[in-house]
Amino acid sequence: AQRVTQPEKLLSVFKGAPVELKCNYSYSGSPELFWYVQYSRQRLQLLLRHISRESIKGFTADLNKGETSFHLKKPFAQEEDSAMYYCALNTGNQFYFGTGTSLTVIP
Amino acid sequence: KAGVTQTPRYLIKTRGQQVTLSCSPISGHRSVSWYQQTPGQGLQFLFEYFSETQRNKGNFPGRFSGRQFSNSRSEMNVSTLELGDSALYLCASSPQPSGAYNEQFFGPGTRLTVL
Repeated sequence: AQRVTQPEKLLSVFKGAPVELKCNYSYSGSPELFWYVQYSRQRLQLLLRHISRESIKGFTADLNKGETSFHLKKPFAQEEDSAMYYCALNTGNQFYFGTGTSLTVIP
Repeated sequence: KAGVTQTPRYLIKTRGQQVTLSCSPISGHRSVSWYQQTPGQGLQFLFEYFSETQRNKGNFPGRFSGRQFSNSRSEMNVSTLELGDSALYLCASSPQPSGAYNEQFFGPGTRLTVL
């Protein structure tokens, strides 16, 4: 069963516009959720995790247990935000990754 | 600290052959996980090793196997290659097993092409 769903494969926004990358998960226990990012020609790296509740590069993500969502948001997109974004769920036994959303920020 | 390294970076094989991929984790990291990355499926978990023991295995056929050595380096083997095995294979390391909610650090991947 798909544990992590990222409904948008591709997302394009204009520079300066708000951006939201959606992530929904399926897990009955206490989830540990992450956002990973892969910039062009770079390796996959952690962007943020819900437990630390911090803003990284202007991005934030709030865990909504009622809606089982962990959407990634940024109020003003920048060109350097163009990348592939993966939502990931850690159940304590393994990581489950979504299929990713490719974000393009149009100048 | 040096990052996670994977060798080789690129491989071309033919159907029916077997292949071995190698991963060296960050120094001090004892957990190594392997993933298969394809455009349509994203990252799919293959297995995780910790202290030379396989902790978990994903939903892949027995043709996919792995092992971990005492220095935490890990190898992944795929036997009887099929066209559908063409993918980017990623290795990730962390200090503790995934159950400890640790961040995973990824290597650059090995691009396997099966002809």
